[in-house]
Amino acid sequence: GAGVSQSPSNKVTEKGKDVELRCDPISGHTALYWYRQRLGQGLEFLIYFQGNSAPDKSGLPSDRFSAERTGESVSTLTIQRTQQEDSAVYLCASSPDGGNQPQHFGDGTRLSIL
Amino acid sequence: AQSVTQPDIHITVSEGASLELRCNYSYGATPYLFWYVQSPGQGLQLLLKYFSGDTLVQGIKGFEAEFKRSQSSFNLRKPSVHWSDAAEYFCAVGGYNFNKFYFGSGTKLNVKP
Repeated sequence: GAGVSQSPSNKVTEKGKDVELRCDPISGHTALYWYRQRLGQGLEFLIYFQGNSAPDKSGLPSDRFSAERTGESVSTLTIQRTQQEDSAVYLCASSPDGGNQPQHFGDGTRLSIL
Repeated sequence: AQSVTQPDIHITVSEGASLELRCNYSYGATPYLFWYVQSPGQGLQLLLKYFSGDTLVQGIKGFEAEFKRSQSSFNLRKPSVHWSDAAEYFCAVGGYNFNKFYFGSGTKLNVKP
């Protein structure tokens, strides 16, 4: 089981609730990425971690979105006070060292806001 | 601004026919270019990448892509499509030590028997 693992695979919640999405990258990968994929659209870059720090948070769509990473491993993406427009598949990817190295993607978390 | 454009949202080809998926990019520095495939119910898988050198790159599953700097393009090709190639294909651009990647909106490929 050496791939990127995301949980939950599906999440349905009511508007206004907070949700937390989890990503377990490939062991030893220092770079971790979060993307959002709305229905019928491409991937939208959200945030990138190198180790535990996120040098670029400009992709986060609003202050309701936050992410953290600990131990250069697990990352969580938190969405507070969810809105219907947050419904999407949230994809996590990791790569050995960031930069120009290809990313390995998880299967995503499908988030549906009622 | 950095961006990737995949002009074709849907493409349908017959099995055994040739395939070309278009990708145009806008990038302010030397681009690093990727093609990913997303099969139904599966995650994204890297098909091939271009960093430097030979502008024609070979990937997995018989795919190739050609980098044309003058046209800002990185089109994906396959000489003979198989039914199992039906999937969504994404072109992406990034840069060395520039860790924000830009993905196109994808091209859905249907394969007719």
